[in-house]
Amino acid sequence: DQQVKQNSPSLSVQEGRISILNCDYTNSMFDYFLWYKKYPAEGPTFLISISSIKDKNEDGRFTVFLNKSAKHLSLHIVPSQPGDSAVYFCAASGNQFYFGTGTSLTVIP
Amino acid sequence: GAGVSQSPSNKVTEKGKDVELRCDPISGHTALYWYRQSLGQGLEFLIYFQGNSAPDKSGLPSDRFSAERTGGSVSTLTIQRTQQEDSAVYLCASSLGGTRGYEQYFGPGTRLTVT
Repeated sequence: DQQVKQNSPSLSVQEGRISILNCDYTNSMFDYFLWYKKYPAEGPTFLISISSIKDKNEDGRFTVFLNKSAKHLSLHIVPSQPGDSAVYFCAASGNQFYFGTGTSLTVIP
Repeated sequence: GAGVSQSPSNKVTEKGKDVELRCDPISGHTALYWYRQSLGQGLEFLIYFQGNSAPDKSGLPSDRFSAERTGGSVSTLTIQRTQQEDSAVYLCASSLGGTRGYEQYFGPGTRLTVT
């Protein structure tokens, strides 16, 4: 049973606009959430994280929002750049890490 | 500095053969994880080592899969009597601590193809 879900397999955004990637989870005991970015033929690289005691964390162009009541988190990238084109995985941690299936973001120049 | 390395980068094997996949974590990282990613799927947790504690093997899909971590550093994932459904990218990651509050650093993965 998938405890972390990314329901949009792909997303296309114009350069300079905002990209919003979404993630839902089922386990209210998760205490830490992370976003990873993956280019083809490479391992995922850590992007940004948020503790369950917070509702927002910002790092440059990247902001993660956490809505615990809805068991939902999102990653906002603004402004989007062509180099942001990659697969984005959200992950949640409890006793182990649980990953979503990924969303492939394409930023169109 | 050196990141997580994995070898081989690609492995093609015949059904029924055994394979060993190697992971060299970042020096000083106490936690080490193995995942696999099948085509079109997310990362599937396999096994987790934390320091000297007994590993969490709850993600291993069958008893054909095993892993060890020698001296708290290098890890080897062994798949015995490989099957075609074992074909996937096997990813290793390490982190400074356990699952709470520490991001993982991933290796480039080993692409396993079972023919």
